[in-house]
Amino acid sequence: SSELTQDPAVSVALGQTVRITCQGDSLRSCYASWYQQKPGQAPILIISAKNSRPSGIPDRFSGSSSGNTASLTITGTQAEDEADYYCNSRDTSGHYVIFGGGTKLTVL
Amino acid sequence: EVQLVESGGLVVQPGGSLRLSCAASGFTFHNYGMNWVRQASGKGLEWVSFISWDGYSTYFSDSVKGRFNISRDNSKNSLYLQMNSLKTEDTALYFCARDISGQYCIGGACSPWHAVDVWGQGTTVTVSS
Repeated sequence: SSELTQDPAVSVALGQTVRITCQGDSLRSCYASWYQQKPGQAPILIISAKNSRPSGIPDRFSGSSSGNTASLTITGTQAEDEADYYCNSRDTSGHYVIFGGGTKLTVL
Repeated sequence: EVQLVESGGLVVQPGGSLRLSCAASGFTFHNYGMNWVRQASGKGLEWVSFISWDGYSTYFSDSVKGRFNISRDNSKNSLYLQMNSLKTEDTALYFCARDISGQYCIGGACSPWHAVDVWGQGTTVTVSS
């Protein structure tokens, strides 16, 4: 399969915990990575290799996976976390890169 | 500082051609595979193409296969995207992006992972008559 499915929109109250999910057959054979994109900016990598954060990414962001589902959890969500979030992996052939459709996170 | 800078985006008529460039700096370019990823206004990210570190392996999304070509010049730390037979649906912001991958192992069982860890700011391609 070459698709990754994300909920189009999720909302969370300031300071609460939110989970954003990504589903697809490719996730059974390749761990997802996660990106944050704010309006007018390029995406930035926030989680790779299942749950590794690049330097500078706050530890309130974490990743997990089970079967065909990957999850991005934000613990103690901040106002500045309001953004679009995308998952990605390689497809089942290992040759093609695929992105989920994105989840717009609103912080209330 | 690790940096990717795209250029070459223009307004072009349907059926026309365009060549995008990406200048890399701050890292050993020839050690990395590279991608082009695009984003239409108000839409999500769409992967376009990948090229291996040595240029010998290339892959394309179905939407551009046969029309676009990806290449690189490691001596110039540069990545290119040749776009032919352009369609209005190719209108988008095009990002150059660095590819990384590896294996994640738990208890002796390993699975691959993949990520795009460095992105440029993008160059805009508009296909319109």
